[in-house]
Amino acid sequence: EAGVTQFPSHSVIEKGQTVTLRCDPISGHDNLYWYRRVMGKEIKFLLHFVKESKQDESGMPNNRFLAERTGGTYSTLKVQPAELEDSGVYFCASSLLGSSYNSPLHFGNGTRLTVT
Amino acid sequence: AQTVTQSQPEMSVQEAETVTLSCTYDTSESDYYLFWYKQPPSRQMILVIRQEAYKQQNATENRFSVNFQKAAKSFSLKISDSQLGDAAMYFCAYRSAAGTYKYIFGTGTRLKVLA
Repeated sequence: EAGVTQFPSHSVIEKGQTVTLRCDPISGHDNLYWYRRVMGKEIKFLLHFVKESKQDESGMPNNRFLAERTGGTYSTLKVQPAELEDSGVYFCASSLLGSSYNSPLHFGNGTRLTVT
Repeated sequence: AQTVTQSQPEMSVQEAETVTLSCTYDTSESDYYLFWYKQPPSRQMILVIRQEAYKQQNATENRFSVNFQKAAKSFSLKISDSQLGDAAMYFCAYRSAAGTYKYIFGTGTRLKVLA
């Protein structure tokens, strides 16, 4: 079974530019999450999709962040325009629908975003 | 709002020895799930162990076990017979059993295993 795939693995952009991160969840996983970790801090929730619907986007920092999951398969997270504080590692995770105890999160390797 | 606290930014353990990583959390809920995730240097996080709050028995997975103290809101991870491959960042996580599917993570503990 292929795992959660994220790309790019690294991205370095200048302040004001746009970056799009992509996540391919495990096939059949309807739950898809985006998380972010800033150096030394906790892993913070950004949003949660169930299939193509946004279930919870309470963690999205502001309207410079736009997440989509067209067709309920892969997801993209666009940051436009990027600011210095957006730097961090962006993780995607997926899971089956159902109780989280029996369907734990599967994480991707993350995208390390550096805004200069 | 729920919070998860990992007070040990870094820990070291000798190979074959035992180490305990601490995690405390704050919640007003009675039913929830707790998890320990491990992120090796290759960066992909993997589930180590999980616990349902309504189960009093501590979860065990081979060399990994937890000490779940619900009243104290404590969920520590014990690694026995530490191996070099255990070196990683360890994250404690909380998830409500109802409502939001959001996981709350701590800041992580970096575990070094000394040969």
